[in-house]
Amino acid sequence: GQNIDQPTEMTATEGAIVQINCTYQTSGFNGLFWYQQHAGEAPTFLSYNVLDGLEEKGRFSSFLSRSKGYSYLLLKELQMKDSASYLCAASSGGSYIPTFGRGTSLIVHP
Amino acid sequence: DGGITQSPKYLFRKEGQNVTLSCEQNLNHDAMYWYRQDPGQGLRLIYYSQIVNDFQKGDIAEGYSVSREKKESFPLTVTSAQKNPTAFYLCASIPGIGTDTQYFGPGTRLTVL
Repeated sequence: GQNIDQPTEMTATEGAIVQINCTYQTSGFNGLFWYQQHAGEAPTFLSYNVLDGLEEKGRFSSFLSRSKGYSYLLLKELQMKDSASYLCAASSGGSYIPTFGRGTSLIVHP
Repeated sequence: DGGITQSPKYLFRKEGQNVTLSCEQNLNHDAMYWYRQDPGQGLRLIYYSQIVNDFQKGDIAEGYSVSREKKESFPLTVTSAQKNPTAFYLCASIPGIGTDTQYFGPGTRLTVL
């Protein structure tokens, strides 16, 4: 089977840096997605890592280690609007269908 | 504008009634997906379709049915056989197999009374 683990909830202070970890166990791994989802809304794409290493996109960066089955999403200069759920999803198999984790609820406080 | 539409945003039904949720995309995407999301949970795959007139069961297909008669449309029917239908339903699409990003519709929140 496939298994995606990420923390349920995290809190951080406005302006700080937070790292959200995700571990996965899946056969036929293709790549790792990160999505942001505000309450009651659809997920929005943040990143997709296929190769090992860090990819940076503005305030958000995503890291992947295929050998360790590990990824993290790094959010810098946190803003109140970053309060949301962050979904980790591993794409696998020939159909490239992602399996989602339960999401990490990030609360940013002043 | 191109995108994925789902309607309605909120839907209420009585227990025992079938209900169909619509999903339309004008992105010319080949593959479409239906997910269910419960509070505090991730997305669970119900059905997906990679090509017109073909679809596959996902992890939780029991109590649901779909059709893919047109490339742009992938409606989901929640039948009375679904034990706990109250949930947030999300439709998504991708341009083709092997491409990276899923594009999501705004979702339909179904409440069965």
